[in-house]
Amino acid sequence: TQLLEQSPQFLSIQEGENLTVYCNSSSVFSSLQWYRQEPGEGPVLLVTVVTGGEVKKLKRLTFQFGDARKDSSLHITAAQTGDTGLYLCAGAPKTSYDKVIFGPGTSLSVIP
Amino acid sequence: ETGVTQTPRHLVMGMTNKKSLKCEQHLGHNAMYWYKQSAKKPLELMFVYNFKEQTENNSVPSRFSPECPNSSHLFLHLHTLQPEDSALYLCASSPRTGGEKLFFGSGTQLSVL
Repeated sequence: TQLLEQSPQFLSIQEGENLTVYCNSSSVFSSLQWYRQEPGEGPVLLVTVVTGGEVKKLKRLTFQFGDARKDSSLHITAAQTGDTGLYLCAGAPKTSYDKVIFGPGTSLSVIP
Repeated sequence: ETGVTQTPRHLVMGMTNKKSLKCEQHLGHNAMYWYKQSAKKPLELMFVYNFKEQTENNSVPSRFSPECPNSSHLFLHLHTLQPEDSALYLCASSPRTGGEKLFFGSGTQLSVL
């Protein structure tokens, strides 16, 4: 079974703090995606990372793809209340490219 | 607004009812998907359609029956469901299978009594 694991499962921080969440697998992925999901809504794509070692920035969010393409991280600088949500990583393993699987998510709560 | 519309947003049904979930995408995508999201479990892929042909059935019970009449519309027909089928059902589309960029609808929150 090809799984994506995410840590931590839950995270509660004060506004202005920095944080990092992780996505790990034993499988190699051709790409990984990060999504944010708010209550009562579907996930919204934030970024896709494709190349091993790649770093992408989206305003205060920094995404990194591991050199071996088995893991990824999301770092948020100076968190804001609007960052609150469920952060999901997803990807299609190289061995089954059309089956996108999702991690269980990190539930982030940013407190004013 | 993601370009993917799901109806209804909420559905309550008994175990003997028959209902259908509808999904429509206005993005010109060729692939469409059904995912199930239960509490404390990762999103589970149910079905994949590419150019309205089913390419994936992820061991889904036959009480869930998908239909894809064209690349823009996707249905999920439900009959004789169980309480454990209560979940958020999400439709998604992508330009092609491989799903590097999935666009999700808002989902249908289903409760089976």
